[in-house]
Amino acid sequence: AQSVTQLGSHVSVSEGALVLLRCNYSSSVPPYLFWYVQYPNQGLQLLLKYTTGATLVKGINGFEAEFKKSETSFHLTKPSAHMSDAAEYFCAVSDQGRSFKTIFGAGTRLFVKA
Amino acid sequence: GAVVSQHPSRVICKSGTSVKIECRSLDFQATTMFWYRQFPKQSLMLMATSNEGSKATYEQGVEKDKFLINHASLTLSTLTVTSAHPEDSSFYICSARAPSRGYTGELFFGEGSRLTVL
Repeated sequence: AQSVTQLGSHVSVSEGALVLLRCNYSSSVPPYLFWYVQYPNQGLQLLLKYTTGATLVKGINGFEAEFKKSETSFHLTKPSAHMSDAAEYFCAVSDQGRSFKTIFGAGTRLFVKA
Repeated sequence: GAVVSQHPSRVICKSGTSVKIECRSLDFQATTMFWYRQFPKQSLMLMATSNEGSKATYEQGVEKDKFLINHASLTLSTLTVTSAHPEDSSFYICSARAPSRGYTGELFFGEGSRLTVL
């Protein structure tokens, strides 16, 4: 079984500050890991993903995440927050088996202060 | 990226009526689509996996007679909420994979449908 834990349901940063959203996962098989962003009343948009290869992955809008197998983590970072980054962020894990089900974390709402 | 379109984006209905939500993959074929339900300020709960040409696979605790899923073509899956009640009010989101674009598990999401049952 797979699971995802996002630490902190709310994170508040000042504009220009570092953004760090934490995600830990549990998986009995090598996982595919994802970060999605959701704006109010909209579907989800992929920010970035890790499947294989380089453990530091870069995504859209300046976000990046590092897969750390030893820590079972996939934290999302951005060096400098922008007001437009305010949204809900979901970490997700998918197996590589037949079902390819995707399990989502509880989400972290990012607030950006001017 | 691949485009998934969901319709309607908002629907209000009376208690006891049925509501159909459509999910279409616009520029790719999706043999598998997923239906999620999202409660306010909560995460996405997988309801069912919709397979083209076969019966949907429902997650534990999801009433398949309540939430009818049909995946009649490679580009269309529908979710029908039957005999809707106020507790069915929620944000429903569909998603699909695009195997033709590399099978790395990424999901493409529709815009979501907000159902309000009066």
